[in-house]
Amino acid sequence: ETGVTQTPRHLVMGMTNKKSLKCEQHLGHNAMYWYKQSAKKPLELMFVYSLEERVENNSVPSRFSPECPNSSHLFLHLHTLQPEDSALYLCASSQDLRLGSDPYNEQFFGPGTRLTVL
Amino acid sequence: GNSVTQMEGPVTLSEEAFLTINCTYTATGYPSLFWYVQYPGEGLQLLLKATKADDKGSNKGFEATYRKETTSFHLEKGSVQVSDSAVYFCALSFSGTYKYIFGTGTRLKVLA
Repeated sequence: ETGVTQTPRHLVMGMTNKKSLKCEQHLGHNAMYWYKQSAKKPLELMFVYSLEERVENNSVPSRFSPECPNSSHLFLHLHTLQPEDSALYLCASSQDLRLGSDPYNEQFFGPGTRLTVL
Repeated sequence: GNSVTQMEGPVTLSEEAFLTINCTYTATGYPSLFWYVQYPGEGLQLLLKATKADDKGSNKGFEATYRKETTSFHLEKGSVQVSDSAVYFCALSFSGTYKYIFGTGTRLKVLA
């Protein structure tokens, strides 16, 4: 496997279910991110981890719970979700947190998990 | 506040047509500007970037010029192919930070 992988690619769950999304990066990066992509809305940054420590929790409801056990893996635990949480959830990684003008430090995205909450 | 505005899609073109996707931004300070592309079933990929005014980013035949006077970063390609069909995102970020501000994306469909 190369780059950033995400599993599952599709997930359908009821509002009372508990499920987890998994992200793995094979790039040796130190920072990992969760984004929510909804139709006709800008990408929303949800969580940011650097060296396994959370550095951003962007006013995300507690029904979303991230976990970063090591620098290669990132999870998003889901419980009692709402239908409006249906979206594409993207994971990304970067060498470190310094983006912007650094030409060698960009975010690499996984293919996403398409989540549908019934 | 900082924001990015993109033209709404979908944009539908015939193969070999000229492409322009408009992007304007509002920012306090001097951001770097980016275009990301998302092919069907895949994550976002960096297409090109520009870090200061008048810089031109280019890649795979796509170009965009950082225009400070018009706060724009329009994406252009002289001759599109069916394989360019994707969603294109304009974004800005500030040096030394990890936050991107993305536009809503513009879907491009290229017909053979």
